[in-house]
Amino acid sequence: EDQVTQSPEALRLQEGESSSLNCSYTVSGLRGLFWYRQDPGKGPEFLFTLYSAGEEKEKERLKATLTKKESFLHITAPKPEDSATYLCAVQEVGTSGTYKYIFGTGTRLKVLA
Amino acid sequence: NAGVMQNPRHLVRRRGQEARLRCSPMKGHSHVYWYRQLPEEGLKFMVYLQKENIIDESGMPKERFSAEFPKEGPSILRIQQVVRGDSAAYFCASSPPPGSSNTEAFFGQGTRLTVV
Repeated sequence: EDQVTQSPEALRLQEGESSSLNCSYTVSGLRGLFWYRQDPGKGPEFLFTLYSAGEEKEKERLKATLTKKESFLHITAPKPEDSATYLCAVQEVGTSGTYKYIFGTGTRLKVLA
Repeated sequence: NAGVMQNPRHLVRRRGQEARLRCSPMKGHSHVYWYRQLPEEGLKFMVYLQKENIIDESGMPKERFSAEFPKEGPSILRIQQVVRGDSAAYFCASSPPPGSSNTEAFFGQGTRLTVV
């Protein structure tokens, strides 16, 4: 069965303390891997798309990388406003050419001032 | 440039009533997805639709739940005879059609259903 596993489930960092979130996946027919940020009471906000192993994307303090089996979201010198739940999703291609997005359960990040 | 629009944002229903959740996709997006999220849990896939066609409903409960995306108007997620266990946040996402250069899905702000 296709799976997306994120770790850790929760992470507390001091402001400025860099770290990485992990997303490992087992899926056939991978088309893309996506990172989202979700704030309490809101919908997921799109961050990055990665399509092939070795690809990297950056946005402010965030950097996403992809290998054949996992992706990392690196957070450099985080600030309290980076506190949120970070979701990873893979786009699975079905046999009929259709596709859907399978989500992990997320990492709840708390950055302390 | 409106994003994915969901309404209502909050919906309270008594047990046994019907709940109708609406989703208008982003302009240019032809595919709609519905997800359910319980507190402290991830997004669970429910159904994937394009105009007038259900593509994948493998995540939908077999009873009481239905979804449609008519030729005109928003996509509708319908829950009949709601029970307390249906209380959750329901999110809609939309994406471009297959073959597009960009494939990311964009989400609405969700509808929070409370069954009392």
